[in-house]
Amino acid sequence: EIVLTQSPGTLSLSPGERATLSCRASQSVSSSYLAWYQQKPGQAPRLLIYGASSRATGIPDRFSGSGSGTDFTLTISRLEPEDFAVYYCQQYGRTPYTFGQGTKLEIK
Amino acid sequence: QVQLVESGGGVVQPGGSLRLSCAASGFTFSSYGMHWVRQAPGKGLEWVAFIQYDGSNKYYADSVKGRFTISRDNSKNTLYLQMNSLRAEDTAVYYCAKPRFGEFLHWGQGTLVTVSS
Repeated sequence: EIVLTQSPGTLSLSPGERATLSCRASQSVSSSYLAWYQQKPGQAPRLLIYGASSRATGIPDRFSGSGSGTDFTLTISRLEPEDFAVYYCQQYGRTPYTFGQGTKLEIK
Repeated sequence: QVQLVESGGGVVQPGGSLRLSCAASGFTFSSYGMHWVRQAPGKGLEWVAFIQYDGSNKYYADSVKGRFTISRDNSKNTLYLQMNSLRAEDTAVYYCAKPRFGEFLHWGQGTLVTVSS
């Protein structure tokens, strides 16, 4: 099983600042089958990034993904009030399709 | 547009059974593999099971293997999750999810399963 470890657990920032979220895998993620999701309270997760760096349809370009192998990053270039939420990385290259434990992005 | 609507959640005693359904619309259901994902209260996401588009292959998380069965009825555009021998740690919101290619693009609103005596 590929274990995904996200850091930090909580990130406190202000609107307008840049956010950098990390996701580290215990084994190489094949073909960059790495996705990022955003989840707000009481809502289902929303796909942001797939293939490590491709934005899903309708996702603003302030969201970007990078990385390969075992180290991946989600960057939000300039935080908007609606970006404060929990973010999960997920690998879908090999079953079981594991998720990271999440990073909570909170308003400072 | 794609719609996934889960149902069948509720309160069940430990050791009991429950069957969840996910009604799909807005896409050719029989062409896509489908997933179940769960989220315990206040916790993160856990992938539960996957079924191939034609039901020929099924995969499970170790935590549910041997107790849960994923199935589908393509004539009814419906995905199922039969859950037996339920435990307190199975308490969660259960989501069905449709992949784009591999990543989970569409999600239902979830149905809550509570295992408690």
